[in-house]
Amino acid sequence: DAGVTQSPTHLIKTRGQQVTLRCSPKSGHDTVSWYQQALGQGPQFIFQYYEEEERQRGNFPDRFSGHQFPNYSSELNVNALLLGDSALYLCASSPRASSGEQFFGPGTRLTVL
Amino acid sequence: RKEVEQDPGPFNVPEGATVAFNCTYSNSASQSFFWYRQDCRKEPKLLMSVYSSGNEDGRFTAQLNRASQYISLLIRDSKLSDSATYLCVVMIPGRGSTLGRLYFGRGTQLTVWP
Repeated sequence: DAGVTQSPTHLIKTRGQQVTLRCSPKSGHDTVSWYQQALGQGPQFIFQYYEEEERQRGNFPDRFSGHQFPNYSSELNVNALLLGDSALYLCASSPRASSGEQFFGPGTRLTVL
Repeated sequence: RKEVEQDPGPFNVPEGATVAFNCTYSNSASQSFFWYRQDCRKEPKLLMSVYSSGNEDGRFTAQLNRASQYISLLIRDSKLSDSATYLCVVMIPGRGSTLGRLYFGRGTQLTVWP
């Protein structure tokens, strides 16, 4: 049973560019959440998708957008990249009826130069 | 004010030591509580959930005090393999039918030395 997978593992972009990160949830999970983890900090919630709709959103600008597909996989898009967007981007999945535990993918490490 | 506050450490302890981590949370609507473990440059993994009655998993004991909004983790007989960052996490329910969202502390770094 595959866990949460993310691609790519590493990415280097320059300021102003756009990036798309991908996530496949754990089998049986239908809810996907995205987090940004800066160096030395805990993960911060970006947004959550369920039934192909954004259900909750953290304190992130509109440059951060996402999508969920019918197979529950998800994408995170970031436009007009800033140096401060350099971080580990984590995808987490959970079943709809969950006690709150979320399962994390290995993350995509984004470096913006 | 941050939703979850944690002492970032670092904690450096010898093998066999007992070490305790604490955190506080600010939102009384917090419903579920967890400790996650994160190894260097890896993803967070659930260590244990935390229940009001307190719970134990081998060498690990977690406690929750809802009145003071305080969570703790005790590690007994520390092993070299316990070296990691420990993240205190709370889940606040979403509005309506949405799943709750997780709030993480910044993590407490533990190094166990031989």
